[in-house]
Amino acid sequence: DQQVKQNSPSLSVQEGRISILNCDYTNSMFDYFLWYKKYPAEGPTFLISISSIKDKNEDGRFTVFLNKSAKHLSLHIVPSQPGDSAVYFCAASVVSGTYKYIFGTGTRLKVLA
Amino acid sequence: NAGVTQTPKFRVLKTGQSMTLLCAQDMNHEYMYWYRQDPGMGLRLIHYSVGEGTTAKGEVPDGYNVSRLKKQNFLLGLESAAPSQTSVYFCASSYSGPKETQYFGPGTRLLVL
Repeated sequence: DQQVKQNSPSLSVQEGRISILNCDYTNSMFDYFLWYKKYPAEGPTFLISISSIKDKNEDGRFTVFLNKSAKHLSLHIVPSQPGDSAVYFCAASVVSGTYKYIFGTGTRLKVLA
Repeated sequence: NAGVTQTPKFRVLKTGQSMTLLCAQDMNHEYMYWYRQDPGMGLRLIHYSVGEGTTAKGEVPDGYNVSRLKKQNFLLGLESAAPSQTSVYFCASSYSGPKETQYFGPGTRLLVL
């Protein structure tokens, strides 16, 4: 049972436009969420996080939105750049729980120049 | 500061052979994790450790063993490799548990024939 789902395996966006990556979760106990970016032949690197007490967190071109009632989060990249082309994973955890994250299946973003 | 390193980068095994994957971190992190990444499955936690001398099972622990004899090292063992263990293995570490960024190694690609 996949508790964290990324239903779009891939996404293509023109350079300069907005990229929106989506993530849904089923466990209402999750209270901390992260996005990781992964380039080929490299390990994932942390991008941005959000706590369930917030509905938005911004870091430069990256913004994460959390809709707790819908159990949905999204990552917005504005403007998208070719260097953003990578696989993006969302992950969720229960802060008071057992120290582990549940990762989604990933979305491959391709930013076209 | 090397961060998280993994040895080896690539390995081919025959069914039934054993091997050990080594993860080392130089950030004095307490928590260490082993994940596997398979197509369409995202990152799945195999085992993790919350400190030297401790280990715990993750989502997919069967067929693997781990040891954390030194704080900086986390070893993943396959006693009798099976083709289903063909995957890319990532090690990660973090200063503490949830809400802490996990830093990933570059991965080990394992092919079991």
